[in-house]
Amino acid sequence: DSGVTQTPKHLITATGQRVTLRCSPRSGDLSVYWYQQSLDQGLQFLIQYYNGEERAKGNILERFSAQQFPDLHSELNLSSLELGDSALYFCASSVSLTGAGATNEKLFFGSGTQLSVL
Amino acid sequence: GENVEQHPSTLSVQEGDSAVIKCTYSDSASNYFPWYKQELGKRPQLIIDIRSNVGEKKDQRIAVTLNKTAKHFSLHITETQPEDSAVYFCAASDTMNSGYSTLTFGKGTMLLVSP
Repeated sequence: DSGVTQTPKHLITATGQRVTLRCSPRSGDLSVYWYQQSLDQGLQFLIQYYNGEERAKGNILERFSAQQFPDLHSELNLSSLELGDSALYFCASSVSLTGAGATNEKLFFGSGTQLSVL
Repeated sequence: GENVEQHPSTLSVQEGDSAVIKCTYSDSASNYFPWYKQELGKRPQLIIDIRSNVGEKKDQRIAVTLNKTAKHFSLHITETQPEDSAVYFCAASDTMNSGYSTLTFGKGTMLLVSP
């Protein structure tokens, strides 16, 4: 168990609908990352939050949005869903590793939310 | 931004053989290269990582090598076992100006170890 909690585990919905995915990071971790995993694209970085603020943005569609709340949990909102949005969505939190003059992040992933858009 | 290429996409070996997975990256400023293992239906988990100030790192049957000049790094698994069967992802860390970094992942290699 990584300590990162994601709900729900499975979500089935229809095209055009809106869903919310929830993530609670490990105790003490301030960063939350969202990744999308599909069969042909691997792990695609969507967005990162640190202590409530957006820190980095990847290939996140305009139909998608996220936020991190004061208690550090995060939500990923997906709207106007399309068939192609079906994927496994992972949340991760991280611990900072400092060395060689840089700070990098070791990620701990949640179990993921499997989204199926029908 | 960073681009990470990973090869092969699938790899089948016999139990006891060695397996090698290779990755290349594009951003010469990347300085941290972790490898994640994802078993079927499970979450990705870090198995080994290397920083740009070293060329090789070992942990029991797993080793990672880094060639900064050529911008490529590799995962080596010796004496493979059926439980090594999984998808392996390489990643490169793109340090941002703020001092914090994000990871860019390769597309993964499905390793199948046959008994």
